[in-house]
Amino acid sequence: DTGVSQDPRHKITKRGQNVTFRCDPISEHNRLYWYRQTLGQGPEFLTYFQNEAQLEKSRLLSDRFSAERPKGSFSTLEIQRTEQGDSAMYLCASSLGRTDANYGYTFGSGTRLTVV
Amino acid sequence: GNSVTQMEGPVTLSEEAFLTINCTYTATGYPSLFWYVQYPGEGLQLLLKATKADDKGSNKGFEATYRKETTSFHLEKGSVQVSDSAVYFCALSGAFWDNNDMRFGAGTRLTVKP
Repeated sequence: DTGVSQDPRHKITKRGQNVTFRCDPISEHNRLYWYRQTLGQGPEFLTYFQNEAQLEKSRLLSDRFSAERPKGSFSTLEIQRTEQGDSAMYLCASSLGRTDANYGYTFGSGTRLTVV
Repeated sequence: GNSVTQMEGPVTLSEEAFLTINCTYTATGYPSLFWYVQYPGEGLQLLLKATKADDKGSNKGFEATYRKETTSFHLEKGSVQVSDSAVYFCALSGAFWDNNDMRFGAGTRLTVKP
């Protein structure tokens, strides 16, 4: 298993454009999480999935953000009409389930988004 | 709600010095506690964890003890190395009946000089 993979590693986009990021979790993990990390801060929770169901969304996730996990495997995070304030590292993590989550998540390397 | 407060950085130490990074938490019930480490340009790696009061998590010479009476989970290492230079995050995960999404502190940057 190669761990949690995120693609792309870096994305530079112009303000107003749409961007989509992909996350491939560890194959047997049924929970998948998205976090946003800005410079000098800890990761902030955005949303999570159990299998294909999106169970919780943070108030940070405005209506310009949407996340999917169509078959309970990989997930995508789309940001529409990007703004400069969206510039951040977007982290994906996975865990085996609710109990396993109490033992820590496995994080990907992140996608760094820069909106110019 | 659940939250974590950790010592502000940056922290600069000489090689072989003793390290303490303070972390306190606020939570209902019995959370699990974690320390993650982030090296430049990388995602977070789980360093150690403790799932109940008085548990001690340890890994790579780092230790932290879950203290329910002081709601703390301070990270310690007896002798730091240059390779320990990174950002360290304290985190908690709510009780199993909770949403248990991970909540992180703001991070403490450690620089170890030779």
